[in-house]
This record gives sequence, structure tokens and C-alpha cells, in this order.
Amino acid sequence: SQQGEEDPQALSIQEGENATMNCSYKTSINNLQWYRQNSGRGLVHLILIRSNEREKHSGRLRVTLDTSKKSSSLLITASRAADTASYFCATDAVGSSNTGKLIFGQGTTLQVKP
Amino acid sequence: DAGITQSPRHKVTETGTPVTLRCHQTENHRYMYWYRQDPGHGLRLIHYSYGVKDTDKGEVSDGYSVSRSKTEDFLLTLESATSSQTSVYFCAINRQGNTGELFFGEGSRLTVL
Repeated sequence: SQQGEEDPQALSIQEGENATMNCSYKTSINNLQWYRQNSGRGLVHLILIRSNEREKHSGRLRVTLDTSKKSSSLLITASRAADTASYFCATDAVGSSNTGKLIFGQGTTLQVKP
Repeated sequence: DAGITQSPRHKVTETGTPVTLRCHQTENHRYMYWYRQDPGHGLRLIHYSYGVKDTDKGEVSDGYSVSRSKTEDFLLTLESATSSQTSVYFCAINRQGNTGELFFGEGSRLTVL
């Protein structure tokens, strides 16, 4: 079953612009994570936000979480060509707190043009 | 970062043949996972392990078995490969322990003809 649904599926922007990706999920969660995947590579963990947090920052990344709407957004500010990748949200399955049994969205493919 | 090594990285096989993918970690973590990635489905959990000889099923476990005889190795076996198992397979470890943050290998691309 698909827990996370992401939109847009694809996003193309110019270098220096901000990129916003959204994720919606269906059931209660303990935390929500965002991962990045460069073409042909494994996923890399970016940031985790707990269910009792509303916003979190890490460098040029800003994540928000709205548990009432079961949604999250990832904002990448001042994007660079090197940010070109696919971005996935992932939630922990109900009853699987902190076990790593994650449910992933289908991802947003971001292209940043130089 | 070579915390996880997957082998083989690429494999082409025929329907009905057995296939084993290996995941090797150098960090002595308790939890290990096998996910598959397919277009339109994101990543889906196949099996996971929470210790030596302790494994459990994930969302898409049919047609797959796993074994973990040592902390460092987690094997994924397709007893009789089918074309629907053509996919990219990722192994992951839970480095943080208390948050579920995963560290992934580079993937094994399997094509079943």
C-alpha cells in the first residue's frame, strides 16, 4: 500500500530558485523522513521530522509537517544544479516506531537547470 | 562511504532460475532491510532482519526469502525468478537505532528475461 503520495511528480527550475515538494500520507505516523536519490545511486537520508514538530531546518532544507492534514513539504532554497535528483518522503508504518520499516512515496524528480 | 556493499550490482537471468543477492555491512548494525524500487511504486519493503536468524516479512515478500547467519550479511533469495521481479533491489541498515533513519547501499539491478 502506498502511504506517501508526492507532488509534483516532476519539477524543473532554474538555478537559484526555490523548489518545493509536497508529500501526503494516510495513517498516523511517528516521524516523517525525506531522502534524496541521484540517478543510478542509493537513497541518502536528508532530514527527519517527528510528529510533534512542525518545522525543521537543515542548511538549505526546510521541512514542514502538518499532522492534521497528514502532509509535509520539503523546500530547497537557492537551488543548485547539484540538487538535481529524485526526492522521496518516507513514513514509519503504524506500530513500527523507529524500526526502519518505512513506507515511501513515489518521489518527485527535480531538475535544476544551470 | 562503504558501510554497505551489495553484490552483484547487475545481473541478468532467465525466468525460473534461482538468484541470490548479498548485502554486506561493515558496521555491526542490528537492523537490515531489503527494498525493491520500481517505477510508479517508489520503494517497497521486501524483508527485514532485526538480528542474526531473526527476520520478518515486509509489504511485498511473496516469492522472496532471506537469511541472516551473521550480523554482517543479509541475503535475499529469489527461489524461481519471474519477470515481475525485474527491479532494482536496495539493501539498507538502520544506523541511528532510535529513529529509523536508513542508510542505503548502491543497489542491485536485476533483469529477469
